[in-house]
Amino acid sequence: ELKVEQNPLFLSMQEGKNYTIYCNYSTTSDRLYWYRQDPGKSLESLFVLLSNGAVKQEGRLMASLDTKARLSTLHITAAVHDLSATYFCAVFPNTNAGKSTFGDGTTLTVKP
Amino acid sequence: NAGVTQTPKFRVLKTGQSMTLLCAQDMNHEYMYWYRQDPGMGLRLIHYSVGEGTTAKGEVPDGYNVSRLKKQNFLLGLESAAPSQTSVYFCASSYVTGDMNTEAFFGQGTRLTVV
Repeated sequence: ELKVEQNPLFLSMQEGKNYTIYCNYSTTSDRLYWYRQDPGKSLESLFVLLSNGAVKQEGRLMASLDTKARLSTLHITAAVHDLSATYFCAVFPNTNAGKSTFGDGTTLTVKP
Repeated sequence: NAGVTQTPKFRVLKTGQSMTLLCAQDMNHEYMYWYRQDPGMGLRLIHYSVGEGTTAKGEVPDGYNVSRLKKQNFLLGLESAAPSQTSVYFCASSYVTGDMNTEAFFGQGTRLTVV
């Protein structure tokens, strides 16, 4: 059974600070996805990481993938209030790619 | 281009009633998925489909049935609703390029309450 673990599950940050969210998974996968969800809303795709060593950046967020360690990170640089949301990582395994698994999410609160 | 559209957006059912949730996508995607999201939790995969006429069980399939008679539609059925099925249901779709499944695009969700 594929397991996807995110940590921390809750994160309260001051504006301007940096932090990293971690996503560990238990099976072989070359693909990992990060999503953002605002309260009461649907999921919005943030990053698609398709190979070992992939790094993608969008504004104050940067995501990376290490398939050997089965680890992805989402790094937040100089947090701002607008980044407050819940962030999910999701794995689509190499075999049976339809059977996706999501982490439990990291709820980020950025305080002034 | 509407993307992924779910119908209805809200519904209240009595225990034992049945209903069907409809998901429609206009992106010609091969894969479609149904998830449920419970408070404070991630998404759990109920059923998925890798193409028209095919369906497969996900992590939490019990109490649900699905059908994909047309490529653009993926229906989720509750035969006899139970309070434990109170949740927010999300449909998603994704496409395949080469041999790789790509990112999933999500509908707006259906908030279902079973009383």
